[in-house]
Parts: sequence; C-alpha cells; structure tokens
Amino acid sequence: EDQVTQSPEALRLQEGESSSLNCSYTVSGLRGLFWYRQDPGKGPEFLFTLYSAGEEKEKERLKATLTKKESFLHITAPKPEDSATYLCAVQRSSSASKIIFGSGTRLSIRP
Amino acid sequence: DGGITQSPKYLFRKEGQNVTLSCEQNLNHDAMYWYRQDPGQGLRLIYYSQIVNDFQKGDIAEGYSVSREKKESFPLTVTSAQKNPTAFYLCASSPSREDYTFGSGTRLTVV
Repeated sequence: EDQVTQSPEALRLQEGESSSLNCSYTVSGLRGLFWYRQDPGKGPEFLFTLYSAGEEKEKERLKATLTKKESFLHITAPKPEDSATYLCAVQRSSSASKIIFGSGTRLSIRP
Repeated sequence: DGGITQSPKYLFRKEGQNVTLSCEQNLNHDAMYWYRQDPGQGLRLIYYSQIVNDFQKGDIAEGYSVSREKKESFPLTVTSAQKNPTAFYLCASSPSREDYTFGSGTRLTVV
C-alpha cells in the first residue's frame, strides 16, 4: 500500500536557524513527489515537484531533494513568515492522477 | 485571474441534513478532486473526476456524492449518511497528471 510519512510532526526554530523536514515514502513506481505549503485555514500552495532520485529544486530559502526512499525540505535561515504546515505528497506512475498526502510538518519560526 | 473558488467559506449543518459545497475553476483543468482534512491529519481523497460526466470514488467516499456536469464545476454533497462530517473540505484541480491547484477550503460544522 502506498504510504507517505512526514517527520517531525512539529518543529519550532529560532529565526535564522536552519533545519530540514523529512518525507519518507513507499510507492509502487513513483511518478512525482510534491511539496506544498499550507497556512492556517487556507488551501495548500504548490512549492515543488521532484521526479527522480538526485533531483533538487530551490525557491528562496527552501530547497527540496529526492532519494529513492525519501525527500527532504531544507530551510535555510528561516524567517517568521516561513511558519506554516508543509505537506509532502506522491503520485504513482501507474495510477490515475490522484495524489497521496502525508500528514504534514507544522513549522514555527520564532523572531 | 485564474483559480479555484470554493463556497461558502463556513457552513453549518444540522443533524440529518444534506449540504452541498461548491467548487468552481476557470483554469480549464480536466481533473478535479475533493479532499477532507481533519486536525493533525493529512488530506484524504473523497472523490475525483478526470473528465466531464465521469467521476470515481476515493478512499473515503461513503456518505458523500458528487456530480460533474460541466468542466468548470464539481460540487460535493455531504449527506446525512456521513457520520462525522465536521472537517475542512478542500477542492483541487489539475491538468492531466500534474500538480494540483487548491481552493481556499470550506469549513463544515455539525450543530
């Protein structure tokens, strides 16, 4: 069964303190792995898609990487406005277009 | 601007009532989805549609119904058969097998 596990559930950092969020997945034939950002009471906002092991993508203070078993979202020198829940999701290559989501990591950045 | 519009933002339902959540998109996307999000949990797929007049059950379809009469619209009805309907409901759309664009969500509460 396809599964996406994110850790930690919650992470509190000081402004400027870099860290990483983990997304472990098991899927039969990965087509793509997605990262989304979700602010409280709002819909998720797309960040990155990764398709193959070794691929990396960056956007401002965020960098996503992918291996055959997991993905990391690295956040460098975070600011309070980076506080949000970060969701990881996978799409199987053989299925219809539906995507399976993890439960997310709640990130809080203290000024 | 193109996007997805969900309405209403907040909805209250009495025991035994059916309620319908609206989802409209002007992105010309073929596929549309309904997810349910409970506190501390990931998004769970209720129904999805890849083309007009066709839709499939997701992982938690019991107590819900949908229709797809127009490409732009994918309303979700929460029926009285849904035992625990209080949740945050998210609609999304995508071009075929690509990342999703989400609406801003509807928070449904049973009173």
